[in-house]
Amino acid sequence: DGGITQSPKYLFRKEGQNVTLSCEQNLNHDAMYWYRQDPGQGLRLIYYSQIVNDFQKGDIAEGYSVSREKKESFPLTVTSAQKNPTAFYLCASSTRWGTATNEKLFFGSGTQLSVL
Amino acid sequence: GNSVTQMEGPVTLSEEAFLTINCTYTATGYPSLFWYVQYPGEGLQLLLKATKADDKGSNKGFEATYRKETTSFHLEKGSVQVSDSAVYFCALSLTGGGNKLTFGTGTQLKVEL
Repeated sequence: DGGITQSPKYLFRKEGQNVTLSCEQNLNHDAMYWYRQDPGQGLRLIYYSQIVNDFQKGDIAEGYSVSREKKESFPLTVTSAQKNPTAFYLCASSTRWGTATNEKLFFGSGTQLSVL
Repeated sequence: GNSVTQMEGPVTLSEEAFLTINCTYTATGYPSLFWYVQYPGEGLQLLLKATKADDKGSNKGFEATYRKETTSFHLEKGSVQVSDSAVYFCALSLTGGGNKLTFGTGTQLKVEL
């Protein structure tokens, strides 16, 4: 079955530690996204990638880093510079990036990150 | 800037009741509008969308009409079921912005027997 797989489902970070969240898709989608979800707030865009080897900062990129070395993979690293990392992280993908605005986003099931 | 405002939840209804979740937006351009649904412990799924004024999106008994004059995209369902219990997000995307979505804060719906 095609879809987006996020792992792990739960992740714990110690102070000063970097952690990496995995996101893999087998939908052959060009564009991928990372969103952060906090209780009582909407989703906020962290980073997005329109195509392999390219990515752009979203609205809240500070303290995060990404890579897009393969079409199917878009890992997110939460660095020690992110002082409030506890949140639910959602990865998404879409067929393509372009001027059309009605492309459907497909979401993974999320990773809950907590600080020890 | 661009923003989406949704009614605060939780909204608690009895099964077979009528549902309305209000959504209004502010956008610098001419957006497409979406409703996404998130079931407990899962990611979001597209519920319905509308890309121009007066379009009506519909799916699984849910409907929403793109009202440019009132900048609204309210979600409605005539008869809710317990299985509709979830968090509903209104969102917009703009021409030239790729598929970057601006989300509302979400509205939790609880449907009881």
